[in-house]
Amino acid sequence: AQSVTQPDIHITVSEGASLELRCNYSYGATPYLFWYVQSPGQGLQLLLKYFSGDTLVQGIKGFEAEFKRSQSSFNLRKPSVHWSDAAEYFCAVGASNYGQNFVFGPGTRLSVLP
Amino acid sequence: DGGITQSPKYLFRKEGQNVTLSCEQNLNHDAMYWYRQDPGQGLRLIYYSQIVNDFQKGDIAEGYSVSREKKESFPLTVTSAQKNPTAFYLCASSAWGTGQPQHFGDGTRLSIL
Repeated sequence: AQSVTQPDIHITVSEGASLELRCNYSYGATPYLFWYVQSPGQGLQLLLKYFSGDTLVQGIKGFEAEFKRSQSSFNLRKPSVHWSDAAEYFCAVGASNYGQNFVFGPGTRLSVLP
Repeated sequence: DGGITQSPKYLFRKEGQNVTLSCEQNLNHDAMYWYRQDPGQGLRLIYYSQIVNDFQKGDIAEGYSVSREKKESFPLTVTSAQKNPTAFYLCASSAWGTGQPQHFGDGTRLSIL
């Protein structure tokens, strides 16, 4: 069965600093990988997704993520964080079999200092 | 605009009472999902449905029930058998097929009186 770990429960960065959120997955075949963002009291919004092809994927709000098969990782990055990026971030993996559901990581809470 | 509507946003349940959370989507998605979210535990799957009149249990289905009579609707009932129902409940939908992203509603927060 697939699983997702996000090693950092809480990260604090200063506004304007770069950001990297870690995600590691466990899955035997080629995974479908996703990053979502959740503001307090809201639902999840899709930031980006990886299915195949180029291992560096661009998403909304200036985020990008890199798939590294050798490390089973799909880390999320942003070169310059804005105060509005403070939120909870979830990595998710979907299997390749038809109709599969997602497995979500536990989330990383991002705080941004002015 | 297409999207997923969950209602109500806040819900209170008395002991021994069943309550129903509504989820409606106009994205023409075949698949729909219910998740429970507790602090520090991410999202846990309660039930999912891939087609009308069919649904499957997720990881934590005990104490919950669902129906899927229409493609657009997937209501979740939290029964009195669910002893710890206080949580944030999220509904999602996706297109049919491998690797389709899930789209989420804004959630319902359920509390016990």
